[in-house]
Amino acid sequence: QKEVEQNSGPLSVPEGAIASLNCTYSDRGSQSFFWYRQYSGKSPELIMSIYSNGDKEDGRFTAQLNKASQYVSLLIRDSQPSDSATYLCAVSVLYNFNKFYFGSGTKLNVKP
Amino acid sequence: GAVVSQHPSRVICKSGTSVKIECRSLDFQATTMFWYRQFPKQSLMLMATSNEGSKATYEQGVEKDKFLINHASLTLSTLTVTSAHPEDSSFYICSAPAGGASTDTQYFGPGTRLTVL
Repeated sequence: QKEVEQNSGPLSVPEGAIASLNCTYSDRGSQSFFWYRQYSGKSPELIMSIYSNGDKEDGRFTAQLNKASQYVSLLIRDSQPSDSATYLCAVSVLYNFNKFYFGSGTKLNVKP
Repeated sequence: GAVVSQHPSRVICKSGTSVKIECRSLDFQATTMFWYRQFPKQSLMLMATSNEGSKATYEQGVEKDKFLINHASLTLSTLTVTSAHPEDSSFYICSAPAGGASTDTQYFGPGTRLTVL
């Protein structure tokens, strides 16, 4: 079983819509959760981190964490074509907080 | 956010040669850095954890004699791909946690694209 699971997509949404990206993880010792965006040929860039249950908002992005369900999601409001990229979910665990486990990523296409 | 640089950004070499990739934390110190490899259309694969002042820790299946890692200072880690072969062609990315031991946010370098002919 993979540590972190993501639907590979592609997820296609029209411009202006809400894009919803999901991620599940297997280790209940996971304590920190991150969303990264990766454009083709580039390295990942951090979008958001979340550590406690609930929602965390930053501009058009909202991360949601539910530790009981071992589920973390990222909502992108008012999606723009420039949001088209692969979104990586990453998790670190309590006993090795510096070591990340990455999901395989979800490719998002925002159509004009 | 914190800045991590990599050099070179792109390298093309002949089969059998060795290639060194540098990863630097520019505005913070990093006792630990991570090296990833990414093949086209695949996710990041952690290769090894680079530890300042001690040996690197390699993930299962990664040859430590082929991928030499040296963490020479608190701001520099190097990855040397020895006797490179075409199957080593990939996108190599390093990352470092910023803010010391109390935070685990990782910042990535821009990556190095290696092509072995």
